[in-house]
Amino acid sequence: ETGVTQSPTHLIKTRGQQVTLRCSSQSGHNTVSWYQQALGQGPQFIFQYYREEENGRGNFPPRFSGLQFPNYSSELNVNALELDDSALYLCASSFGGDSGELFFGEGSRLTVL
Amino acid sequence: AQKVTQAQTEISVVEKEDVTLDCVYETRDTTYYLFWYKQPPSGELVFLIRRNSFDEQNEISGRYSWNFQKSTSSFNFTITASQVVDSAVYFCAPLTPYGNNRLAFGKGNQVVVIP
Repeated sequence: ETGVTQSPTHLIKTRGQQVTLRCSSQSGHNTVSWYQQALGQGPQFIFQYYREEENGRGNFPPRFSGLQFPNYSSELNVNALELDDSALYLCASSFGGDSGELFFGEGSRLTVL
Repeated sequence: AQKVTQAQTEISVVEKEDVTLDCVYETRDTTYYLFWYKQPPSGELVFLIRRNSFDEQNEISGRYSWNFQKSTSSFNFTITASQVVDSAVYFCAPLTPYGNNRLAFGKGNQVVVIP
């Protein structure tokens, strides 16, 4: 186990709704990255938070937003859900830098109907 | 932008056979890192190995080995004497230094180990 926990594990929403996904990073880690993984695809980088500030963003629209808290846990918020937002959302924690060695949670499976 | 091609969508092997996963990447960077991650059915991605672009020495770690050839942009990964627990999706991913740990994952190789 990586020590990274995500909640909820599964959820179902309808188009137009909003969703909040949560991630608790591994102890000692100050950086959280979020990835979206559609079925049969590799994970795609959404954004990263370092010390409560957004520190890099992938090719995702502004309705994908996030937060990082003083304890380094993080939230991913998606507004105005679309069918294509159905995916596994993975959170990964690390200790700054560019080691590439990320510690992933088991993900939150979002289904948009 | 970096791009990864993992041509073998699904690979089935009988337990104890070796399995090699091919990875071809594209990057404009002269210095970069390469990774292999494993994703078991539970969903979390597990870090396996990291390689620096300036170090082409191939290594073995337990049942894992890798063959990095910068000239052909290939970073192949081999599991020796496969076990059922090796059944997972394997992702190759390049990373640019100062890239904020933004891994560029390919579509992955689904490995099925048959007992």
